[in-house]
Parts: sequence; C-alpha cells; structure tokens
Amino acid sequence: AQSVSQHNHHVILSEAASLELGCNYSYGGTVNLFWYVQYPGQHLQLLLKYFSGDPLVKGIKGFEAEFIKSKFSFNLRKPSVQWSDTAEYFCAVKAGGATNKLIFGTGTLLAVQP
Amino acid sequence: GAVVSQHPSRVICKSGTSVKIECRSLDFQATTMFWYRQFPKQSLMLMATSNEGSKATYEQGVEKDKFLINHASLTLSTLTVTSAHPEDSSFYICSARVLAVETQYFGPGTRLLVL
Repeated sequence: AQSVSQHNHHVILSEAASLELGCNYSYGGTVNLFWYVQYPGQHLQLLLKYFSGDPLVKGIKGFEAEFIKSKFSFNLRKPSVQWSDTAEYFCAVKAGGATNKLIFGTGTLLAVQP
Repeated sequence: GAVVSQHPSRVICKSGTSVKIECRSLDFQATTMFWYRQFPKQSLMLMATSNEGSKATYEQGVEKDKFLINHASLTLSTLTVTSAHPEDSSFYICSARVLAVETQYFGPGTRLLVL
C-alpha cells in the first residue's frame, strides 16, 4: 500500500532562515506529487505539484520542491521564510494511472518567529 | 478560480441525530469529489470518492450506511452522517477534482461535534 511520511512534525524557525521539509513516499510506479499548505483557520491550498519533466518545481510564495526518484523523496524548500509562512504543510502522493486518490502525509507544523 | 465551499462550517448535534454537510464547487464543474476526515494532529484520511451520477466509492473501514454520500449534480456533493455518535466528532473536509489539471481543490472543512 502507498504511504507518505513527513519526518518533521513540528519545525520552529526564525525569519530569514532557510526551510527544508522532508517528504518520502512508498510506491514503485509513476506518481504525481503535491505539497499543500494550511494557514491557521484556512483551508488547504495547493503550493506546488510535480507530474513529469523537470524534477525541480517552483510553486507559489517562493516555495520549490525537488523530486528525487531514486530516494522516493519530494522535499519542500524555501530559501528565506517569513512570519506569514507559519502554517501546516502536507505532502501528498497520487499513484499514476486511473486512480484519483491522494495519500497524505501527517503534516508538518511550521512556526516562524519574527 | 477553483473555489470549493462547505456548509455548515461547524455543527453541534445530539447523539442519534443525522447531519448533512454540503460541498460545492463554485466556479467549475466537478465530476469527482472527495470526502476526508481529519483527526486532531493527524493527517487527512480519505473516506470516499464521490462520482456524479453514480454510487460513491468508500475506503476500507468506512461504513457506507453511516456516511451517506450523494453527488446529484456537477457542483454539489453531500455527506450525511447518520445516527451520529460522539466518536463521529471530527473535522470533515471535501475536495473537488479539476480534471484538466489533475488537481484537487479543498473546501474549508466542517467541524462536527456530537454531544
């Protein structure tokens, strides 16, 4: 069965620090990969996604993620975080093909201190 | 674009009553919608896939007679929690799939508290 693991459950950073959130998945076939963000009191929003092509994808608000197939990873990065990036971040995987199902990681709560 | 709404945003009900939650795609048509449940400090767990005009597909362990799903139109799916009990208290989130970009867009969620 597919699974998604996010290693960091809770991350605290100061403003301007660099961010990297880990995401690993277990599935041997073609995958579509997503990062969603949930700001306090708001709904899940899509940050970025990878389907194919360049493994380094850029999303909104300065975020990027790199798909490393050999490591089954899709880590999220941002060179310099802001207080407004305080939120919960979810990695999700969809197996390629006919399935529509998204499998979510447990989420990482990021707190950015001003 | 790709806005999904849910109603109500929160509901408190007595044990044994039924609660209906609506999920609407506001600016697009969605042949497929999804219902998730999120427990505190845990991830989203897919409950069922709702297909317009056909029966929903439930995940293993989800009781289809307890969580009734109806997807009567291309912009509306409903989840009815029948005979709710305190253990059904949770945060229920829907999403709608935009076929053209193969991406799900999420509603704001409904917090259900069963007393």
